[in-house]
Amino acid sequence: QKEVEQNSGPLSVPEGAIASLNCTYSDRVSQSFFWYRQYSGKSPELIMSIYSNGDKEDGRFTAQLNKASQYVSLLIRDSQPSDSATYLCAAPRGSASKIIFGSGTRLSIRP
Amino acid sequence: DADVTQTPRNRITKTGKRIMLECSQTKGHDRMYWYRQDPGLGLRLIYYSFDVKDINKGEISDGYSVSRQAQAKFSLSLESAIPNQTALYFCATSDWDRGETGELFFGEGSRLTVL
Repeated sequence: QKEVEQNSGPLSVPEGAIASLNCTYSDRVSQSFFWYRQYSGKSPELIMSIYSNGDKEDGRFTAQLNKASQYVSLLIRDSQPSDSATYLCAAPRGSASKIIFGSGTRLSIRP
Repeated sequence: DADVTQTPRNRITKTGKRIMLECSQTKGHDRMYWYRQDPGLGLRLIYYSFDVKDINKGEISDGYSVSRQAQAKFSLSLESAIPNQTALYFCATSDWDRGETGELFFGEGSRLTVL
């Protein structure tokens, strides 16, 4: 089992709809989780971090964490064409705190 | 100027050549990382360093070596490049946050092609 797993997509969502991105992780020790967005040809940038069970909202973005199920998700409300990108889930690996990434989900927002 | 600078940005080389990718940062972070990105595989950790005297292997360190010359500089070397090392390489830095590694700040990437 990969340490951090994501569906590769592509995920196609109509403009204005909710995009839902999912990630599972294998290391129960992990305490913090990150969502990065990467536009084609660019470097990743952090859009959300979450440390506690439950939801964390930031504008149109909501991260959801369920440590019992080892599951973290990202919801994007009112999806815009500018949200079209690859979304990478990341988590620290054990006590060494090296950051491990999933393979990324490519999201396409269609007008 | 960028906070995390990678050189070169693009490099084409031949099998068997030695290649060095350099990374420097002005963020004052202790933690530095090298990742490679291949289509459909996300970012895979090659090496990471928590300070000048602490260097650790990541997920895919075979065929690579690193040097942490100073807090601000972290170089990645391919001693004898092979075609399957063709990839986009990212350097990143981070600080501590809540007792763990916080946000990663990435350089713009170095695209390496090995013929």
